[in-house]
Amino acid sequence: EAGVAQSPRYKIIEKRQSVAFWCNPISGHATLYWYQQILGQGPKLLIQFQNNGVVDDSQLPKDRFSAERLKGVDSTLKIQPAKLEDSAVYLCASSVGPLGPTEAFFGQGTRLTVV
Amino acid sequence: SQKIEQNSEALNIQEGKTATLTCNYTNYSPAYLQWYRQDPGRGPVFLLLIRENEKEKRKERLKVTFDTTLKQSLFHITASQPADSATYLCALYSSASKIIFGSGTRLSIRP
Repeated sequence: EAGVAQSPRYKIIEKRQSVAFWCNPISGHATLYWYQQILGQGPKLLIQFQNNGVVDDSQLPKDRFSAERLKGVDSTLKIQPAKLEDSAVYLCASSVGPLGPTEAFFGQGTRLTVV
Repeated sequence: SQKIEQNSEALNIQEGKTATLTCNYTNYSPAYLQWYRQDPGRGPVFLLLIRENEKEKRKERLKVTFDTTLKQSLFHITASQPADSATYLCALYSSASKIIFGSGTRLSIRP
């Protein structure tokens, strides 16, 4: 079974530039999560999708971050414009959904450096 | 406000001993408590979970306890090995599949 795929693995941009990350969850998984993990900290939930609908985006800085999951499968997370404090690893995860096993499966993440 | 705390940033123990990690939470009523392992440069990997109505769960050398009165979970690795060195994350799973993570404990097992 293929795991959660993320790209790119690494990205370096200058502040005020824009960047997009892509995630392909495990086939059949209804729930998709985006987390931000700053070095030395635990993952912080940015947004959670159930199929193509947003369940929780309370921690998403909506003035600069946006995310979509148009067909209920792949997802993209965008930052525009980026700030220095956005430097972090962005992790995508998926799970079966509310009626199934609860564990989340993670991709390897995208390491973003804003200079 | 809601908070999840893992007792220490780093824990160093000798091979063969039991490692015990602590997770405390406030202002949550989770349905499940999960534990994940994260190696450098990789995403977290699920280890095991315990339900709110369970006191203890075991899987091979791993044991988790859950006290909803104290709002605390303990995670034990018995007969620890250098290969167990990693960061361990506790996570609370609540309604609508929301998963919130603690800050993690970096465990080092010295030979």
